[in-house]
Amino acid sequence: QKEVEQNSGPLSVPEGAIASLNCTYSDRGSQSFFWYRQYSGKSPELIMSIYSNGDKEDGRFTAQLNKASQYVSLLIRDSQPSDSATYLCAGYGGATNKLIFGTGTLLAVQP
Amino acid sequence: NAGVMQNPRHLVRRRGQEARLRCSPMKGHSHVYWYRQLPEEGLKFMVYLQKENIIDESGMPKERFSAEFPKEGPSILRIQQVVRGDSAAYFCASSPIGTEGTEAFFGQGTRLTVV
Repeated sequence: QKEVEQNSGPLSVPEGAIASLNCTYSDRGSQSFFWYRQYSGKSPELIMSIYSNGDKEDGRFTAQLNKASQYVSLLIRDSQPSDSATYLCAGYGGATNKLIFGTGTLLAVQP
Repeated sequence: NAGVMQNPRHLVRRRGQEARLRCSPMKGHSHVYWYRQLPEEGLKFMVYLQKENIIDESGMPKERFSAEFPKEGPSILRIQQVVRGDSAAYFCASSPIGTEGTEAFFGQGTRLTVV
């Protein structure tokens, strides 16, 4: 089992809708998770960090963490075409506590 | 405060040559990660370094690849005798410490093309 898993998508949503991106992880010891956004041809950009169970909101973005289910999600409200990108979930894990990424979910927001 | 700096941004090498990719972490950051990304694929972990120490190199190919992060200067990812399959984007990320929960920030990447 991969340590951090994401559905590769693409996930297509209409402009103004809520986009829901999901991630599961296998290392029960992982305590913190991150969402990065990567536009085509660019480098990943950190957009959200979450460290405790529950929701964390930042503008149109909400990160959710459920440690019991080993599940992390990112909700994007009022999706805009400019949100179209690949979203990468990451967490610390493994024997050396390195930062591990999922394969990313491609989000396409249709105008 | 400058971000993570990678150079060169683009590198073209002929098969059999050496490629040296440099990563200067953010000021105050002592940990560096290197990742490789093929087109339309995710970030594949390669190596995790602290100054003067390799913490985890489990993602590095056994041959031709090496990495270092000296006490002074940038981290270097070195690929000897490059082959076409080495063509990819190589990203580094830095963090201030290596503990759980520390945010890591990426450089702009180096796009390596082997011809």
